[in-house]
Amino acid sequence: KAGVTQTPRYLIKTRGQQVTLSCSPISGHRSVSWYQQTPGQGLQFLFEYFSETQRNKGNFPGRFSGRQFSNSRSEMNVSTLELGDSALYLCASSLVQGMNEKLFFGSGTQLSVL
Amino acid sequence: AQSVTQLGSHVSVSEGALVLLRCNYSSSVPPYLFWYVQYPNQGLQLLLKYTTGATLVKGINGFEAEFKKSETSFHLTKPSAHMSDAAEYFCAVSGHSNYQLIWGAGTKLIIKP
Repeated sequence: KAGVTQTPRYLIKTRGQQVTLSCSPISGHRSVSWYQQTPGQGLQFLFEYFSETQRNKGNFPGRFSGRQFSNSRSEMNVSTLELGDSALYLCASSLVQGMNEKLFFGSGTQLSVL
Repeated sequence: AQSVTQLGSHVSVSEGALVLLRCNYSSSVPPYLFWYVQYPNQGLQLLLKYTTGATLVKGINGFEAEFKKSETSFHLTKPSAHMSDAAEYFCAVSGHSNYQLIWGAGTKLIIKP
């Protein structure tokens, strides 16, 4: 069974640009969560999608948005990039919403904003 | 509001020595508690979890953690460190009704030969 797949693995953008990250969950998983990981900050929860609907949202500005498709694949978009958006963005999937003990993480997308 | 504190951003132990990674949480009610491990260039993997029942929880790779309500702690231990244990370890908590995970800042475990 394939794991959680995140693409691309690395991204370099400049300030003001926008970026779209993709996450394909494990087959059969319907919940996808997104996290931002920065050194010394740990993981910050961005949002969770289940059945194409955003179910939970963290404390991030509106420049961060996401969506989920009918096949459970999810995309995250960041507009008007800032230097502080440089981070590892992790996606996690689970069978249903809120199954924290059954979260499976992808390897992440490393975003560098110059 | 819940919060998680991991003492020490870096912990260094010799191979074969005891590993102790500290995690304290603040919560008005006993939460669900988790330890995750992140190896270089990889995502996070669940090591162990506490939800209810026995307070001493055993996980993968020989790790275990004990939930101590009176100390609001969930420290991670392993009797004998192995070189392959070098990684970053994250403690996380969630509520019973609010499933959002709250994460500690992480502790990098360094194993000296």
